[in-house]
Amino acid sequence: GAVVSQHPSRVICKSGTSVKIECRSLDFQATTMFWYRQFPKQSLMLMATSNEGSKATYEQGVEKDKFLINHASLTLSTLTVTSAHPEDSSFYICSARDQRSTPYGYTFGSGTRLTVV
Amino acid sequence: AQSVTQPDIHITVSEGASLELRCNYSYGATPYLFWYVQSPGQGLQLLLKYFSGDTLVQGIKGFEAEFKRSQSSFNLRKPSVHWSDAAEYFCAVGSNAGNNRKLIWGLGTSLAVNP
Repeated sequence: GAVVSQHPSRVICKSGTSVKIECRSLDFQATTMFWYRQFPKQSLMLMATSNEGSKATYEQGVEKDKFLINHASLTLSTLTVTSAHPEDSSFYICSARDQRSTPYGYTFGSGTRLTVV
Repeated sequence: AQSVTQPDIHITVSEGASLELRCNYSYGATPYLFWYVQSPGQGLQLLLKYFSGDTLVQGIKGFEAEFKRSQSSFNLRKPSVHWSDAAEYFCAVGSNAGNNRKLIWGLGTSLAVNP
């Protein structure tokens, strides 16, 4: 089945630095990838939708200059948290859609726990 | 507006007991409905989905869900819960808005299983 690899699984960074999270579709081409943020004991909050080769579409209230999303190929999307602050600490999850699949055939990565100290 | 409601924030059941997790949705057209499970610190795994056809949907790990249009519900059931089923469960509806087909998420139900 479709597999999405998300890396790193955990990262600790200092306040003010930037962190890059990668989301790779291992055995399929992903035309669309979604990036979510999840606070403890809460649901997923959609941050942005990225389509290969075009600019990401950000949800209302998400700072696009702070959360940079790049989807340069059909198998890789990256989320860069720029100038991270402790309030950016969260669990980030990506999901990717196999272009051959049913309309909602999304596969999720295993998530990245970001801690900003 | 499209929305998903999971009325139960937390449920505790005994191992071997039956389980029903509730999900209600608000959607203007025929919905695409999903149940996902999330273990602590992990991503989400699809349990089952409903697009059309038979309203009783079978999923993985012994789960099933029934789509009831009249009640705008898509409740998840399992006849006998195992300790390994303890996790967070999310109901979602697929939005047809735009071309990106987003998922609208419920807030989740946390399931604890007593031995």
